[in-house]
Amino acid sequence: AQKITQTQPGMFVQEKEAVTLDCTYDTSDQSYGLFWYKQPSSGEMIFLIYQGSYDEQNATEGRYSLNFQKARKSANLVISASQLGDSAMYFCAMREWPNTDKLIFGTGTRLQVFP
Amino acid sequence: DAGVIQSPRHEVTEMGQEVTLRCKPISGHNSLFWYRQTMMRGLELLIYFNNNVPIDDSGMPEDRFSAKMPNASFSTLKIQPSEPRDSAVYFCASSPQREGPETQYFGPGTRLLVL
Repeated sequence: AQKITQTQPGMFVQEKEAVTLDCTYDTSDQSYGLFWYKQPSSGEMIFLIYQGSYDEQNATEGRYSLNFQKARKSANLVISASQLGDSAMYFCAMREWPNTDKLIFGTGTRLQVFP
Repeated sequence: DAGVIQSPRHEVTEMGQEVTLRCKPISGHNSLFWYRQTMMRGLELLIYFNNNVPIDDSGMPEDRFSAKMPNASFSTLKIQPSEPRDSAVYFCASSPQREGPETQYFGPGTRLLVL
């Protein structure tokens, strides 16, 4: 069974608009971490934001926020005020701690920001 | 601060040749991870080390792949003999090992092409 599901292979958004990238996860562990990474066309993997399973507040990092709904097992990434430079692949990942240090990645969503 | 350093950035080799990929983790990080990214399989963990000790190598495809971490500041991933299906981007990542699921920071990747 897929542990991380990203159902949107591609998304389009106009510059300055907000966009939500979906991520659902599957785990029976109580302790886990959820991560979002950005991969631009240059290929590097850039860490964006982290949410711990016990964090009561949704994580925010600048224009990025994570809409964490634990009961629904979803961890959607919200990008506010999109910029052309946000065009990239976005990966959701989970780390089930303390059983393992492995990161399990979703298949990614390709975001295209247009003027 | 220097990030994760990988070399070479690009490698083109012929089938049957030995390939060695190198990684220098972020100073002070205790955990090191090797990932492979392909279009077909996405991002998959090959092996990871904690304090230079291999913890989980279940993702290593077959005996042609081997990884070592002789000290805290250096790791290698070796493919011998290489095959065209090994063509992929290989990422090294590192993270501190503390309480809780720590963020993994990725290197720029090595793009390997086996002809």
